[in-house]
Amino acid sequence: DAEITQSPRHKITETGRQVTLACHQTWNHNNMFWYRQDLGHGLRLIHYSYGVHDTNKGEVSDGYSVSRSNTEDLPLTLESAASSQTSVYFCASSTGSQETQYFGPGTRLLVL
Amino acid sequence: GESVGLHLPTLSVQEGDNSIINCAYSNSASDYFIWYKQESGKGPQFIIDIRSNMDKRQGQRVTVLLNKTVKHLSLQIAATQPGDSAVYFCAENNNAGNMLTFGGGTRLMVKP
Repeated sequence: DAEITQSPRHKITETGRQVTLACHQTWNHNNMFWYRQDLGHGLRLIHYSYGVHDTNKGEVSDGYSVSRSNTEDLPLTLESAASSQTSVYFCASSTGSQETQYFGPGTRLLVL
Repeated sequence: GESVGLHLPTLSVQEGDNSIINCAYSNSASDYFIWYKQESGKGPQFIIDIRSNMDKRQGQRVTVLLNKTVKHLSLQIAATQPGDSAVYFCAENNNAGNMLTFGGGTRLMVKP
């Protein structure tokens, strides 16, 4: 069955390290998204992509980057991890505009 | 700025009763709305959606009502079961591509 997966599911890192979170979907969706979820803030959009080689900044993009070299993957990189980036990260994908976004299981990141 | 239901209230219901979860949105240009269910430790799961040319849509045990006049969205769950216990999020498409704005969520607790 088609699905969307994230890895790792849990990650502990130190301040200043570079961290990459993986997102992989097998639905052949054009659109992919990264969100972070924090208490009191709900889901906030970090970056998104509408297709290969397309990337866009979301509401809280500072300190994060993404790349889209193929349809299936949208890795999220924290260039220099900060304690403020401790959060749960969700990847999502959709077929196109005005369509439902389907979410992965999440990655829980702790930055010490 | 525009927002969708930023508070996280808790709704407690008895097993077998009907549940109604409400969401207020403020972007009158939004024309697509989604309800998600999120269980502890999991990603948001699509429940039901509705487009602005409709005011009601039914699924299995769930109904979504849209009142564009007062910018209000509700999710009705019939015969609530313990497995319905979760946080429920509404989301709106803000008519800018496939961007979703999420509310803060409502926690539903089902008492056996």
